[in-house]
Amino acid sequence: DTGVSQDPRHKITKRGQNVTFRCDPISEHNRLYWYRQTLGQGPEFLTYFQNEAQLEKSRLLSDRFSAERPKGSFSTLEIQRTEQGDSAMYLCASSLEASGNTIYFGEGSWLTVV
Amino acid sequence: SQQGEEDPQALSIQEGENATMNCSYKTSINNLQWYRQNSGRGLVHLILIRSNEREKHSGRLRVTLDTSKKSSSLLITASRAADTASYFCAKRDTGANSKLTFGKGITLSVRP
Repeated sequence: DTGVSQDPRHKITKRGQNVTFRCDPISEHNRLYWYRQTLGQGPEFLTYFQNEAQLEKSRLLSDRFSAERPKGSFSTLEIQRTEQGDSAMYLCASSLEASGNTIYFGEGSWLTVV
Repeated sequence: SQQGEEDPQALSIQEGENATMNCSYKTSINNLQWYRQNSGRGLVHLILIRSNEREKHSGRLRVTLDTSKKSSSLLITASRAADTASYFCAKRDTGANSKLTFGKGITLSVRP
């Protein structure tokens, strides 16, 4: 039984560079979520997909952030022109449709912008 | 913004003792989910409790929900050093909104 998989687990990048994270959800899960977490804080919602449709985006998701789920399976989160404030852990999660279902998280992708 | 509030923010206990963590919220919820997070790791799902449920158990974990007080508690019995982690409650509101909203978490330290 494979859980939610995220890649890379760690990324160090220079300010101004672009980075992309990938998430593979649990198979057959049609909902996929992205969260961001900084040290000492709880995860903050960024966006979620149902199949390939992006249904909600947080105001935290600036124009430099874009997320896609082209075939309704894996998803990518791209950050353009990274800033030091983007340093955080980016968490992906998935669930089956229905608001009463459990949401399962991956191990996260750590981003450090230097 | 984070809308759940956990209490206490930090808890330190001796191995073998029980740990009680509380969570309050302000909206109407569909369910509330508790997660554990070890340092630098992802979130591990512990228990989901629905708005029409009052109590659920899983091994050494017991979760209660009081929708009239808009609060939930997580009890870990006979704690172990391996229970040392951060614990989060996350609420899922009623309606079409599908996302979880997290609090800041509770840091639990279990001393051997």
